[in-house]
Amino acid sequence: DTGVSQDPRHKITKRGQNVTFRCDPISEHNRLYWYRQTLGQGPEFLTYFQNEAQLEKSRLLSDRFSAERPKGSFSTLEIQRTEQGDSAMYLCASSLEGYRGRGYTFGSGTRLTVV
Amino acid sequence: AQSVTQLGSHVSVSEGALVLLRCNYSSSVPPYLFWYVQYPNQGLQLLLKYTTGATLVKGINGFEAEFKKSETSFHLTKPSAHMSDAAEYFCAVTLHTGNQFYFGTGTSLTVIP
Repeated sequence: DTGVSQDPRHKITKRGQNVTFRCDPISEHNRLYWYRQTLGQGPEFLTYFQNEAQLEKSRLLSDRFSAERPKGSFSTLEIQRTEQGDSAMYLCASSLEGYRGRGYTFGSGTRLTVV
Repeated sequence: AQSVTQLGSHVSVSEGALVLLRCNYSSSVPPYLFWYVQYPNQGLQLLLKYTTGATLVKGINGFEAEFKKSETSFHLTKPSAHMSDAAEYFCAVTLHTGNQFYFGTGTSLTVIP
């Protein structure tokens, strides 16, 4: 069990550029979640996958955001035409279906700074 | 709808003193409750959880929390603070039928030597 891995750890981008983040969940976990955490706030739900299916999306996930989990393993989160308000920590978490009471396992996050 | 409120965005305690971090929840059905800890530039680590059964739950690093339905609270305590406890603490709620967690705004714990 190598935990949840996120790449990159830090990303600085100019406003208007596209960025893509990757998350590798714990291998046996079939659920994968994306959360966004801004300074001084708790994580806010963005979206989650069960296997390769994206089952729920938050209203926070504007049309500039897209997430995929093509083979039910790793996931990518892409932000197009980044804005300064997108600056945040993007956290990925995974869990096993039916074991919700165990909570999530979080990755270390990708910190995005839009300049 | 579910939500949590963490009272006190900053708490300072002396090393060796009692730690008390407050969390109140709102849920229309029995909730699952969690406390997570976050160190700078890190993800969140699960401290402890309440799902069903015993209302006093023990977690890692000497922390414990008590689920009080009548008070809709799930406060986190530790008898004696260590310097290594300095971090951000988040309370979270979910439903046994739900898929997303709702986090509080966090409490930053400072431990004074």
